[in-house]
Amino acid sequence: EIVLTQSPATLSLSPGERATLSCRASQSVTTYLAWYQQKPGQAPRLLIYDANNRATGIPARFSGSGSGTDFTLTISSLEPEDFAVYYCQQRSTWWTFGQGTKVEMK
Amino acid sequence: EVQLVESGGGLVQPGGSLTLSCAATGFTLSDYGMNWVRQAPGKGLEWVSSFGGSGTTYYADSVKGRFIISRDNTKSTLSLQMNSLRAEDTATYYCAKEFGHGRPFDSWGQGTLVTVSS
Repeated sequence: EIVLTQSPATLSLSPGERATLSCRASQSVTTYLAWYQQKPGQAPRLLIYDANNRATGIPARFSGSGSGTDFTLTISSLEPEDFAVYYCQQRSTWWTFGQGTKVEMK
Repeated sequence: EVQLVESGGGLVQPGGSLTLSCAATGFTLSDYGMNWVRQAPGKGLEWVSSFGGSGTTYYADSVKGRFIISRDNTKSTLSLQMNSLRAEDTATYYCAKEFGHGRPFDSWGQGTLVTVSS
């Protein structure tokens, strides 16, 4: 089973700042890595798939990069609605999620 | 518009059974892989089970042998039969659609809460 480890657990930033979230896989997932955003009381929303492709309707301030075992989600300039929990996800034989990174307002 | 609506959650005693349903509209269920994902209170996301386009099913080790995923294409409904429930199965259960077979989940339901407690 491939384990995804996200860091940091919590990121404290102000609106307008840049957010950089990391996801590391225990073995290569090539570029089969997705990112989701989840706000309190809501279902997750797909942001990025195949490491660097934005899903439909996702603003350009969200970008993904990486391949193999190391991946990054970048939010170029935080908007108030971006404060949420972010999860990475991969599929080998089955799906696994990282434990999440909470982006909180400083 | 794609819509997924879960139902069937509730309070059940340890060792009991419950069946969740997910009503799918706005797309052809048989054309996509479908999944159940759960989230324990205050915790992260945990994939539970998949129903692939070819009818292949997959289960997380934590539920294997206790849960059964099924799909009724005529009723456009995905189901999860949960047996031998444990306290650690307490969670909100989400139905999620892959945007292609084996692809990430582009649509999610609102979730249904399952509480396992005596």
